Amino acid sequence: QKEVEQDPGPLSVPEGAIVSLNCTYSNSAFQYFMWYRQYSRKGPELLMYTYSSGNKEDGRFTAQVDKSSKYISLFIRDSQPSDSATYLCAMSPYNFNKFYFGSGTKLNVKP
Amino acid sequence: DTEVTQTPKHLVMGMTNKKSLKCEQHMGHRAMYWYKQKAKKPPELMFVYSYEKLSINESVPSRFSPECPNSSLLNLHLHALQPEDSALYLCASAHKTRPDNSPLHFGNGTRLTVT
Repeated sequence: QKEVEQDPGPLSVPEGAIVSLNCTYSNSAFQYFMWYRQYSRKGPELLMYTYSSGNKEDGRFTAQVDKSSKYISLFIRDSQPSDSATYLCAMSPYNFNKFYFGSGTKLNVKP
Repeated sequence: DTEVTQTPKHLVMGMTNKKSLKCEQHMGHRAMYWYKQKAKKPPELMFVYSYEKLSINESVPSRFSPECPNSSLLNLHLHALQPEDSALYLCASAHKTRPDNSPLHFGNGTRLTVT
């Protein structure tokens, strides 16, 4: 079993839709949770970074962490064609060098 | 543009060549990383430097040789590579201040093709 599971998609939605991206994990030692957006032929760009359970909002993006269920989500409101990219979740234990990535979900927002 | 700069952006090399990838950051981060990413796959950790010392080597073949000359620079020396080593090589950095952790900040990578 992988430490981080993420549905690879592709996920196709119309412009303006609310998008929900999810990851599950098995290691209860994970304390830090990140979401990255990666456009084709570019490096991953940090979107959201959370430590505790609960919600964190930044503009159109909301990150949600449920440590009891070992489940994290990224919500994108009013999705735009420019949001079309691959979204990677990542997580790490407390005070540790290694980061564990999901396989990435490819999102396509249609105009 | 990212705050982690990688050069070159593209590199084509033969199996007998020696080349180097370079990475630079000026965010004061003290942890630096090399990742390898194949198409449609997540980044795969290769090496971690913490305070300029190699702290993690993920059993990477010796034809890849990392170097961290100072806290801002990270190199990856390449020698006698194989075609299957063709990939996007990503550099990343993190603040790494105890006891807190911090997220990775990636560069845009070097797209390497081995012929």
